[in-house]
Amino acid sequence: DGGITQSPKYLFRKEGQNVTLSCEQNLNHDAMYWYRQDPGQGLRLIYYSQIVNDFQKGDIAEGYSVSREKKESFPLTVTSAQKNPTAFYLCASTPGGGTKTQYFGPGTRLLVL
Amino acid sequence: DAKTTQPNSMESNEEEPVHLPCNHSTISGTDYIHWYRQLPSQGPEYVIHGLTSNVNNRMASLAIAEDRKSSTLILHRATLRDAAVYYCILSRRDDKIIFGKGTRLHILP
Repeated sequence: DGGITQSPKYLFRKEGQNVTLSCEQNLNHDAMYWYRQDPGQGLRLIYYSQIVNDFQKGDIAEGYSVSREKKESFPLTVTSAQKNPTAFYLCASTPGGGTKTQYFGPGTRLLVL
Repeated sequence: DAKTTQPNSMESNEEEPVHLPCNHSTISGTDYIHWYRQLPSQGPEYVIHGLTSNVNNRMASLAIAEDRKSSTLILHRATLRDAAVYYCILSRRDDKIIFGKGTRLHILP
């Protein structure tokens, strides 16, 4: 089945540690996105990529980094510079074209030890 | 950025229709209106989208005002499984997609 997978489902980070969240899609979608969601809040855009080897900062990019070396993959690294990383992280993708309907993965919950 | 305004929360009785409003007064001619819903601890799920005309699918209907400055998501017969946060989003071809806080829909048995 086509879809978006995120791993792991839960991730624990120690102080000062970088961690990487995986996002893979087999939908052949051009654009991919990372969002952060805090309890009771909406989604905030961290980074997005419209084509391979290109990405743009969203509204809250500080303390995060991404890469887009392959069309199917868009990993997000939460660096030690992100002082409050505890949140639910969602990856999404959209096909080409004007409608930009987004398809979301199941999410990764990051907790700080 | 394309912005939308939704009520924070709404309640409805089970098996009754639900009308979820969304205002988007700054919409431009090529912006699509999308609705998603999110259950607890899950990623958002696509519900419906439209450009100018009203749209129907198996999940819901989307009614778009003639001036396109507002829209309404219609759930024809709410069930307990429809309790979720509903997001109304404007999507523009070459622009990022902005999610607000959405409307938390409570369904009363």
